Amino acid sequence: GNSVTQMEGPVTLSEEAFLTINCTYTATGYPSLFWYVQYPGEGLQLLLKATKADDKGSNKGFEATYRKETTSFHLEKGSVQVSDSAVYFCALLETSGSRLTFGEGTQLTVNP
Amino acid sequence: ETGVTQTPRHLVMGMTNKKSLKCEQHLGHNAMYWYKQSAKKPLELMFVYNFKEQTENNSVPSRFSPECPNSSHLFLHLHTLQPEDSALYLCASSQPSRGPDTQYFGPGTRLTVL
Repeated sequence: GNSVTQMEGPVTLSEEAFLTINCTYTATGYPSLFWYVQYPGEGLQLLLKATKADDKGSNKGFEATYRKETTSFHLEKGSVQVSDSAVYFCALLETSGSRLTFGEGTQLTVNP
Repeated sequence: ETGVTQTPRHLVMGMTNKKSLKCEQHLGHNAMYWYKQSAKKPLELMFVYNFKEQTENNSVPSRFSPECPNSSHLFLHLHTLQPEDSALYLCASSQPSRGPDTQYFGPGTRLTVL
């Protein structure tokens, strides 16, 4: 079946540091890939997505590239801010159907 | 994001109570979902509705009963819950006919079962 594996957290960085959160997946076919973010006390917000190989999703300074050869979708940001502190979820959507498969989430804390 | 709203935001109930969670989407979508988010576990898909018809029940206990009266509203009726049902319940919606099925989530209902 489908699965998503994220790097274990928590991740703690200083403001303006470079961020990478690793995500790898297992799926049949050609899934779409997503990053969602969950701020404290809130639901999930779509951060970015990519629907085919070599696509790059980007939003709010975050980027992730769909790498089919390595089955990865790593999240990066060049300079994090305190306001980026949240839990980040990688997810895949199977080619057919509407089932989203989520990773376990990575807690990010950014200190001033 | 105010496209998907959920009420109440917090709920405390005893094991013998009956309560309902409500979800409403203002995005013109045709599919709606219930997810359960427990501490230290991946999000679990519970139910999927497409055009008001239930298309997926992910082996959810019968003490959780969904209802979808129209494409904009989704309810989760709760009765005789267990303490282990305490979790954040998230509603989402999507429009499957508009390409990759991006799901948009509500803020969730934090449920505590005593």
